[in-house]
Amino acid sequence: AQKVTQAQTEISVVEKEDVTLDCVYETRDTTYYLFWYKQPPSGELVFLIRRNSFDEQNEISGRYSWNFQKSTSSFNFTITASQVVDSAVYFCALSETAAGKSTFGDGTTLTVKP
Amino acid sequence: DTGVSQDPRHKITKRGQNVTFRCDPISEHNRLYWYRQTLGQGPEFLTYFQNEAQLEKSRLLSNRFSAERPKGSFSTLEIQRTEQGDSAMYLCASTSSQGADTQYFGPGTRLTVL
Repeated sequence: AQKVTQAQTEISVVEKEDVTLDCVYETRDTTYYLFWYKQPPSGELVFLIRRNSFDEQNEISGRYSWNFQKSTSSFNFTITASQVVDSAVYFCALSETAAGKSTFGDGTTLTVKP
Repeated sequence: DTGVSQDPRHKITKRGQNVTFRCDPISEHNRLYWYRQTLGQGPEFLTYFQNEAQLEKSRLLSNRFSAERPKGSFSTLEIQRTEQGDSAMYLCASTSSQGADTQYFGPGTRLTVL
């Protein structure tokens, strides 16, 4: 069975601080995909990134970066120089395939204060 | 707007009533997923369709729940004899089974059972 754990329920930072959201996963599959989604107050899940289990390269996209470490089954997400608009619930998810059903963590609520 | 749409966005009903939600996927997507998200938790998989065929159902989908996708386009999710525990956000996602696409989520239908 697959499982995703986001140990941080809530994080509060002041604008311009860096913040890291943790994600630890469990799976027996040798091939799998990891995702991060953002859910703003409007409720719609916004896709941020997908990473497959064979690609452990870290990725940077603007102020966002992701650190995938297979050895520790972690896929952490860092926001650099946080902004108020980053306030949202962030979900980490795991899937057997790129487009298959996903198992989600319970989310981390990020509040960025001005 | 070419994204996933869901209707209604909000539904308030009394316990014991039946409700039906609709999801319109992205037009070229042949896979459609339903998830349920309760407060403070991540989305949980309910069921998915490839074209008109319902290929998998979660054990969360009790016999009061039924989903259809009659022409392989839009899908409906019906809940019969609603219970207060059914109160949740119901999310729909669509994707293509071609290549390495990912799931695109709709805005959800928030159900409140009084």
